[in-house]
Amino acid sequence: GQQLNQSPQSMFIQEGEDVSMNCTSSSIFNTWLWYKQDPGEGPVLLIALYKAGELTSNGRLTAQFGITRKDSFLNISASIPSDVGIYFCAGRGSQGNLIFGKGTKLSVKP
Amino acid sequence: GAVVSQHPSRVICKSGTSVKIECRSLDFQATTMFWYRQFPKQSLMLMATSNEGSKATYEQGVEKDKFLINHASLTLSTLTVTSAHPEDSSFYICSASGISSYNEQFFGPGTRLTVL
Repeated sequence: GQQLNQSPQSMFIQEGEDVSMNCTSSSIFNTWLWYKQDPGEGPVLLIALYKAGELTSNGRLTAQFGITRKDSFLNISASIPSDVGIYFCAGRGSQGNLIFGKGTKLSVKP
Repeated sequence: GAVVSQHPSRVICKSGTSVKIECRSLDFQATTMFWYRQFPKQSLMLMATSNEGSKATYEQGVEKDKFLINHASLTLSTLTVTSAHPEDSSFYICSASGISSYNEQFFGPGTRLTVL
């Protein structure tokens, strides 16, 4: 079945630094989504990407839908302590279902 | 907009009992609702997809008689864990879609189930 490889698995950064994480797949996806999950909470949608090559920003977050439709990245600029959490990428496959990456755990040192 | 609630937020029950979890879309009509299970430090695992008024479609390996799903209205879906066992302890999260033509999924806050 379709799978996503999300990296890195975890990141420890200093407040103010920029962050980059990505997801890749051997399969093509029609939609890429990025979610953030805080401990004990459900995921919150950050950015949705619908077209290959699309670059979308949401405040300090920027995400891109890869031209090949097999990858996407999420950048966070000037990180702050509340950016801490687990970030999941998700791709919408040919069946219409969402397939999730394993997550990137972000820790920010004040 | 696009608020999804779950109730209860956490529940502790004894083995052998049944537990019902409710998922509600508060400000939109959800044509489709999804139920996920998440183990500690792991990603979300889709259990089943339900469309309002239809039987749920279960993912491979998920027992439909164990995890009963009802989607009786456009704003409410329920997941009942029947005859719960300790291995059913997990974080259960629902999501709902239907607010836009893109059918994005908006997640509830999750329900922590602990079976003693």
